[in-house]
Amino acid sequence: AQRVTQPEKLLSVFKGAPVELKCNYSYSGSPELFWYVQYSRQRLQLLLRHISRESIKGFTADLNKGETSFHLKKPFAQEEDSAMYYCALSGQGGSEKLVFGKGTKLTVNP
Amino acid sequence: KAGVTQTPRYLIKTRGQQVTLSCSPISGHRSVSWYQQTPGQGLQFLFEYFSETQRNKGNFPGRFSGRQFSNSRSEMNVSTLELGDSALYLCASSTRGESYGYTFGSGTRLTVV
Repeated sequence: AQRVTQPEKLLSVFKGAPVELKCNYSYSGSPELFWYVQYSRQRLQLLLRHISRESIKGFTADLNKGETSFHLKKPFAQEEDSAMYYCALSGQGGSEKLVFGKGTKLTVNP
Repeated sequence: KAGVTQTPRYLIKTRGQQVTLSCSPISGHRSVSWYQQTPGQGLQFLFEYFSETQRNKGNFPGRFSGRQFSNSRSEMNVSTLELGDSALYLCASSTRGESYGYTFGSGTRLTVV
Protein backbone atom coordinates (compact mmCIF):
# COMPACT_ATOMS: atom_id res chain seq x y z
CA ALA A 1 0.00 0.00 0.00
CA GLN A 2 1.11 3.53 -0.69
CA ARG A 3 1.38 5.57 2.45
CA VAL A 4 3.15 8.71 3.64
CA THR A 5 3.59 9.35 7.33
CA GLN A 6 4.51 12.68 8.88
CA PRO A 7 4.77 11.92 12.58
CA GLU A 8 4.67 15.52 13.80
CA LYS A 9 1.48 17.52 13.36
CA LEU A 10 3.09 20.58 14.91
CA LEU A 11 6.70 21.71 15.07
CA SER A 12 7.89 24.87 16.73
CA VAL A 13 11.45 26.23 16.57
CA PHE A 14 13.19 29.53 17.16
CA LYS A 15 14.59 31.68 14.39
CA GLY A 16 18.10 30.60 13.49
CA ALA A 17 17.67 27.09 14.85
CA PRO A 18 17.95 24.02 12.64
CA VAL A 19 14.71 22.41 11.57
CA GLU A 20 13.91 18.90 10.40
CA LEU A 21 10.48 17.79 9.25
CA LYS A 22 10.17 14.04 9.19
CA CYS A 23 8.59 11.97 6.43
CA ASN A 24 8.44 8.20 6.08
CA TYR A 25 6.84 6.37 3.21
CA SER A 26 5.62 2.98 2.18
CA TYR A 27 5.64 2.05 -1.50
CA SER A 28 6.37 -1.11 -3.45
CA GLY A 29 8.76 0.09 -6.10
CA SER A 30 10.68 3.29 -6.63
CA PRO A 31 8.53 6.32 -5.93
CA GLU A 32 9.09 9.94 -6.64
CA LEU A 33 9.12 11.98 -3.44
CA PHE A 34 8.10 15.60 -3.02
CA TRP A 35 7.71 18.28 -0.41
CA TYR A 36 4.86 20.73 -0.85
CA VAL A 37 4.36 23.89 1.18
CA GLN A 38 1.30 25.98 1.92
CA TYR A 39 1.90 29.44 3.37
CA SER A 40 -0.93 31.20 5.14
CA ARG A 41 -3.70 32.15 2.69
CA GLN A 42 -1.68 30.90 -0.28
CA ARG A 43 -1.96 27.95 -2.62
CA LEU A 44 -0.31 24.61 -2.16
CA GLN A 45 2.97 24.73 -4.07
CA LEU A 46 5.83 22.41 -4.82
CA LEU A 47 8.89 23.07 -2.67
CA LEU A 48 11.21 20.39 -3.96
CA ARG A 49 11.39 16.92 -5.43
CA HIS A 50 14.00 14.33 -4.62
CA ILE A 51 15.02 13.67 -8.20
CA SER A 52 16.17 17.24 -8.81
CA ARG A 53 18.42 17.29 -5.73
CA GLU A 54 17.95 21.05 -5.42
CA SER A 55 18.09 23.33 -2.42
CA ILE A 56 15.05 25.61 -2.41
CA LYS A 57 14.83 28.49 0.08
CA GLY A 58 17.63 26.80 2.00
CA PHE A 59 15.71 23.53 2.36
CA THR A 60 17.11 20.17 1.33
CA ALA A 61 15.71 16.67 1.50
CA ASP A 62 17.56 13.41 1.09
CA LEU A 63 15.87 10.22 0.04
CA ASN A 64 16.96 7.32 2.24
CA LYS A 65 15.67 4.17 0.57
CA GLY A 66 16.90 1.93 3.36
CA GLU A 67 14.93 3.78 5.99
CA THR A 68 12.18 4.77 3.49
CA SER A 69 12.47 8.36 4.65
CA PHE A 70 12.57 11.75 2.99
CA HIS A 71 13.15 14.24 5.78
CA LEU A 72 13.17 17.97 5.02
CA LYS A 73 15.95 20.00 6.61
CA LYS A 74 17.08 23.57 6.92
CA PRO A 75 20.10 24.59 8.98
CA PHE A 76 18.82 28.02 10.04
CA ALA A 77 15.06 28.53 10.18
CA GLN A 78 13.53 31.91 9.30
CA GLU A 79 10.18 33.35 10.41
CA GLU A 80 8.96 33.29 6.81
CA ASP A 81 9.36 29.50 6.80
CA SER A 82 6.28 29.22 9.01
CA ALA A 83 3.78 27.20 6.98
CA MET A 84 2.17 23.80 6.48
CA TYR A 85 4.50 21.29 4.92
CA TYR A 86 3.28 18.17 3.13
CA CYS A 87 5.36 15.22 2.08
CA ALA A 88 4.01 13.36 -0.96
CA LEU A 89 4.87 10.49 -3.25
CA SER A 90 3.89 9.27 -6.67
CA GLY A 91 4.90 6.43 -8.92
CA GLN A 92 7.89 6.96 -11.17
CA GLY A 93 7.38 8.44 -14.57
CA GLY A 94 4.47 10.70 -13.82
CA SER A 95 0.80 10.28 -14.66
CA GLU A 96 0.18 8.89 -11.22
CA LYS A 97 -1.69 10.37 -8.34
CA LEU A 98 0.06 12.11 -5.49
CA VAL A 99 -0.29 10.47 -2.09
CA PHE A 100 0.11 13.06 0.64
CA GLY A 101 1.03 12.86 4.28
CA LYS A 102 -1.21 14.71 6.71
CA GLY A 103 1.17 17.59 7.01
CA THR A 104 3.31 19.29 9.63
CA LYS A 105 2.62 22.83 10.73
CA LEU A 106 5.93 24.59 11.25
CA THR A 107 6.07 27.70 13.38
CA VAL A 108 9.29 29.66 13.55
CA ASN A 109 9.29 31.95 16.57
CA PRO A 110 11.26 35.22 16.68
CA LYS B 1 0.07 33.51 -17.41
CA ALA B 2 -3.12 32.87 -15.47
CA GLY B 3 -3.03 30.20 -12.79
CA VAL B 4 -5.49 27.44 -12.05
CA THR B 5 -8.89 28.97 -11.41
CA GLN B 6 -11.52 27.28 -9.28
CA THR B 7 -15.08 28.50 -8.93
CA PRO B 8 -16.88 29.15 -6.75
CA ARG B 9 -14.53 29.88 -3.85
CA TYR B 10 -17.14 29.12 -1.22
CA LEU B 11 -20.31 27.06 -1.27
CA ILE B 12 -22.91 26.14 1.34
CA LYS B 13 -25.26 23.29 0.54
CA THR B 14 -27.85 21.25 2.39
CA ARG B 15 -27.64 17.49 2.96
CA GLY B 16 -29.11 15.59 0.04
CA GLN B 17 -28.43 18.29 -2.52
CA GLN B 18 -25.93 18.02 -5.30
CA VAL B 19 -23.10 20.37 -6.20
CA THR B 20 -20.88 21.09 -9.19
CA LEU B 21 -17.42 22.59 -8.85
CA SER B 22 -15.41 24.02 -11.73
CA CYS B 23 -11.71 24.13 -12.52
CA SER B 24 -10.01 26.01 -15.35
CA PRO B 25 -6.43 24.78 -15.82
CA ILE B 26 -3.43 26.74 -16.94
CA SER B 27 -3.48 27.31 -20.68
CA GLY B 28 -1.82 24.37 -22.42
CA HIS B 29 -2.30 22.00 -19.51
CA ARG B 30 -4.29 18.95 -20.53
CA SER B 31 -4.36 17.07 -17.24
CA VAL B 32 -6.60 18.03 -14.33
CA SER B 33 -6.61 16.27 -10.97
CA TRP B 34 -8.95 16.75 -8.05
CA TYR B 35 -8.16 16.36 -4.36
CA GLN B 36 -10.27 16.57 -1.23
CA GLN B 37 -8.69 18.19 1.82
CA THR B 38 -10.15 17.68 5.29
CA PRO B 39 -8.65 18.16 8.77
CA GLY B 40 -9.09 14.47 9.58
CA GLN B 41 -8.03 12.76 6.37
CA GLY B 42 -5.72 15.35 4.87
CA LEU B 43 -5.33 15.51 1.10
CA GLN B 44 -6.93 12.62 -0.75
CA PHE B 45 -6.93 11.98 -4.47
CA LEU B 46 -10.32 11.97 -6.17
CA PHE B 47 -9.64 11.57 -9.89
CA GLU B 48 -7.55 12.70 -12.82
CA TYR B 49 -8.64 13.63 -16.32
CA PHE B 50 -6.47 13.86 -19.39
CA SER B 51 -7.78 14.82 -22.81
CA GLU B 52 -11.38 14.35 -21.67
CA THR B 53 -10.75 10.81 -20.33
CA GLN B 54 -10.68 9.75 -16.71
CA ARG B 55 -7.26 8.21 -16.33
CA ASN B 56 -7.10 7.54 -12.61
CA LYS B 57 -9.60 7.34 -9.77
CA GLY B 58 -9.30 7.39 -6.01
CA ASN B 59 -11.30 5.49 -3.39
CA PHE B 60 -14.39 7.63 -3.21
CA PRO B 61 -18.02 6.53 -3.59
CA GLY B 62 -19.84 6.84 -6.88
CA ARG B 63 -21.53 10.02 -5.64
CA PHE B 64 -18.31 11.75 -6.66
CA SER B 65 -17.93 12.15 -10.40
CA GLY B 66 -16.19 14.42 -12.81
CA ARG B 67 -15.66 15.26 -16.40
CA GLN B 68 -13.35 17.23 -18.64
CA PHE B 69 -14.26 19.29 -21.64
CA SER B 70 -12.41 19.72 -24.91
CA ASN B 71 -10.89 22.98 -23.67
CA SER B 72 -9.46 21.04 -20.68
CA ARG B 73 -11.75 22.72 -18.19
CA SER B 74 -13.02 20.23 -15.65
CA GLU B 75 -16.00 19.91 -13.38
CA MET B 76 -16.60 17.63 -10.46
CA ASN B 77 -20.02 16.75 -9.16
CA VAL B 78 -21.08 15.42 -5.80
CA SER B 79 -24.61 14.09 -5.53
CA THR B 80 -26.67 13.39 -2.41
CA LEU B 81 -24.41 15.48 -0.23
CA GLU B 82 -23.49 14.27 3.24
CA LEU B 83 -22.15 16.27 6.16
CA GLY B 84 -18.82 14.47 5.75
CA ASP B 85 -18.40 15.92 2.27
CA SER B 86 -17.60 19.29 3.83
CA ALA B 87 -14.05 19.95 2.71
CA LEU B 88 -11.73 22.05 0.63
CA TYR B 89 -11.68 20.68 -2.91
CA LEU B 90 -8.45 21.36 -4.76
CA CYS B 91 -7.83 21.15 -8.44
CA ALA B 92 -4.37 20.77 -9.94
CA SER B 93 -3.34 20.97 -13.57
CA SER B 94 -0.24 19.83 -15.40
CA THR B 95 0.89 19.47 -18.97
CA ARG B 96 0.45 15.72 -19.31
CA GLY B 97 -0.30 14.55 -15.77
CA GLU B 98 3.29 14.41 -14.59
CA SER B 99 3.09 14.56 -10.79
CA TYR B 100 6.04 16.94 -10.49
CA GLY B 101 4.36 19.47 -12.75
CA TYR B 102 1.23 20.09 -10.72
CA THR B 103 -0.01 23.63 -10.20
CA PHE B 104 -2.76 23.83 -7.63
CA GLY B 105 -5.73 26.16 -7.52
CA SER B 106 -6.94 27.98 -4.42
CA GLY B 107 -9.74 25.50 -3.93
CA THR B 108 -13.48 25.53 -3.36
CA ARG B 109 -14.59 25.42 0.27
CA LEU B 110 -17.75 23.30 0.45
CA THR B 111 -19.82 23.31 3.61
CA VAL B 112 -22.71 20.88 3.92
CA VAL B 113 -25.31 21.74 6.57
